[in-house]
Amino acid sequence: AQKITQTQPGMFVQEKEAVTLDCTYDTSDPSYGLFWYKQPSSGEMIFLIYQGSYDQQNATEGRYSLNFQKARKSANLVISASQLGDSAMYFCAMREGDSSYKLIFGSGTRLLVRP
Amino acid sequence: KAGVTQTPRYLIKTRGQQVTLSCSPISGHRSVSWYQQTPGQGLQFLFEYFSETQRNKGNFPGRFSGRQFSNSRSEMNVSTLELGDSALYLCASSSIPGKYNEKLFFGSGTQLSVL
Repeated sequence: AQKITQTQPGMFVQEKEAVTLDCTYDTSDPSYGLFWYKQPSSGEMIFLIYQGSYDQQNATEGRYSLNFQKARKSANLVISASQLGDSAMYFCAMREGDSSYKLIFGSGTRLLVRP
Repeated sequence: KAGVTQTPRYLIKTRGQQVTLSCSPISGHRSVSWYQQTPGQGLQFLFEYFSETQRNKGNFPGRFSGRQFSNSRSEMNVSTLELGDSALYLCASSSIPGKYNEKLFFGSGTQLSVL
């Protein structure tokens, strides 16, 4: 079974509007971390935001926030006030447990911001 | 603080050749991991190094190998290249390995094309 599911292959958003990118995950480990990365056409994977399984509050980093719903196993990324430079691929990823050594990635969502 | 540096940025090789990719982690980071990204398979974990030792390896054939030097710089090598090895190879660094809440920071990748 897929551990990270991103059900939106592509999305459009109007400049200056907010957009939510969906991510659901599957794990039986109580300790895990959830990450969002942005990958522009240049190829670099840019770290955006992190949410730990024991964190009580939703993570925020500038215009990025994470809507973490533990019971539903979802970790949606919210981008507020979209900018043209936000057009990119967005990947949700997870690391499990205290012996975790790798990130498990979802298939990604391509976001296109319209002027 | 400089980020993760990968060289070269682009490589074109022919089948049967071998290739070496290089990665310099963020200063002070001692853990380096490698990922392969293809349109069909997405992002897949290759291997992880810490203190010059390979700690974990993904499900790739023995043609894929790597090493880490005492200054934490890492190289990966692919021998007897196949067309299917064409991919973006991403290197990531972190300060310590094996913790679920440890963030990975990626480089811009090396785009390998096998003709």
